[in-house]
Amino acid sequence: AQTVTQSQPEMSVQEAETVTLSCTYDTSENNYYLFWYKQPPSRQMILVIRQEAYKQQNATENRFSVNFQKAAKSFSLKISDSQLGDTAMYFCAFMNYGGATNKLIFGTGTLLAVQP
Amino acid sequence: ETGVTQSPTHLIKTRGQQVTLRCSSQSGHNTVSWYQQALGQGPQFIFQYYREEENGRGNFPPRFSGLQFPNYSSELNVNALELDDSALYLCASSFGGGAGTGELFFGEGSRLTVL
Repeated sequence: AQTVTQSQPEMSVQEAETVTLSCTYDTSENNYYLFWYKQPPSRQMILVIRQEAYKQQNATENRFSVNFQKAAKSFSLKISDSQLGDTAMYFCAFMNYGGATNKLIFGTGTLLAVQP
Repeated sequence: ETGVTQSPTHLIKTRGQQVTLRCSSQSGHNTVSWYQQALGQGPQFIFQYYREEENGRGNFPPRFSGLQFPNYSSELNVNALELDDSALYLCASSFGGGAGTGELFFGEGSRLTVL
């Protein structure tokens, strides 16, 4: 069974600085997706970034980038130039590619606070 | 293009009662999945509906059931409510069952409190 582990329950960063959130996962599958989702107090899960396991190049989306280490089963999220609106719970998630469902397996989350 | 909408946003029930939560999927999506998010935890997969059939289920008892309608909207029903059912219930829509791009679009959730 796949598992996702986020070892940082809470993190804090100053506005305009850079922060990295950690995630490790366990799977015997070779083809899968990895995601970072953001959940602000409004509760809606918002996709931040997605990585296909077969792609060696790390995904980037504006200020957000990942460091995907497939052999180490590590998938960290780097947020550059942190903004107050980045304050939220961040979840790392795994999805098996080509399975019967789009089932996401989530970690327990990291609460990020951006300080002014 | 309308996003995923869920109703009600909040509700309070007592132990033993039954509840129905509703979800309208995003336009063009034919797959709906439901997640339970307990306080301080990550969401847990309950089940998925694809083209009106349940095609995947997580580790939840049979008193959690669902439906998907021809317009691809969905309901989650929970019978014989227990205190531990108190949680945020999230609906997510996507396209293609398990053969899509992997991107799910979430609603804002229904907060259920069981007293």
